[in-house]
Amino acid sequence: SQKIEQNSEALNIQEGKTATLTCNYTNYSPAYLQWYRQDPGRGPVFLLLIRENEKEKRKERLKVTFDTTLKQSLFHITASQPADSATYLCALASNTGFQKLVFGTGTRLLVSP
Amino acid sequence: GAVVSQHPSRVICKSGTSVKIECRSLDFQATTMFWYRQFPKQSLMLMATSNEGSKATYEQGVEKDKFLINHASLTLSTLTVTSAHPEDSSFYICSASWAGGLGNSPLHFGNGTRLTVT
Repeated sequence: SQKIEQNSEALNIQEGKTATLTCNYTNYSPAYLQWYRQDPGRGPVFLLLIRENEKEKRKERLKVTFDTTLKQSLFHITASQPADSATYLCALASNTGFQKLVFGTGTRLLVSP
Repeated sequence: GAVVSQHPSRVICKSGTSVKIECRSLDFQATTMFWYRQFPKQSLMLMATSNEGSKATYEQGVEKDKFLINHASLTLSTLTVTSAHPEDSSFYICSASWAGGLGNSPLHFGNGTRLTVT
């Protein structure tokens, strides 16, 4: 069955460092991969979308890579700030059928000052 | 832009009663709305997809008679949890898309509804 794996353990880093979060998937051939941020008790907020034919996407301090051979996406936040502390979810969609998004469980990021 | 409002944010109800949750797209027309359920430290689980003016499509294992979805307009979808039981206690989140929910377009989420059934 399709599986999306994100590290369930929280990632603790110091302010100013680069945070790198991982999203691995199996039994899936996504055409699109999206990353969302979710704060406690709130709905997710869209951050970035990357297509299968794109290796890398950037937006301000955020960078996403998509390796369809490794079946992995990496999400980087450079110059991290305490305000970046949240749970980050990856979501995948195929390009066939309804293309509905399937979400990973998310990784909690804690940036300490 | 792309604001989705969900109401109420919290609701406590007694077992056996019904609860209605509203999801509105405030500044765009949502051709497709999605309803998710999220348990603590778990991923969002899609419950159903609704398109304006048509019947909702439910995911496997989701009881359509228990979770009634109405997408009456391009800006409003409602989820009614009928005859709620304690096991229905969860965080319910709606999302909306103007692009039919295609994988190449972002979803815009409401802030969720925390349902507690006593």
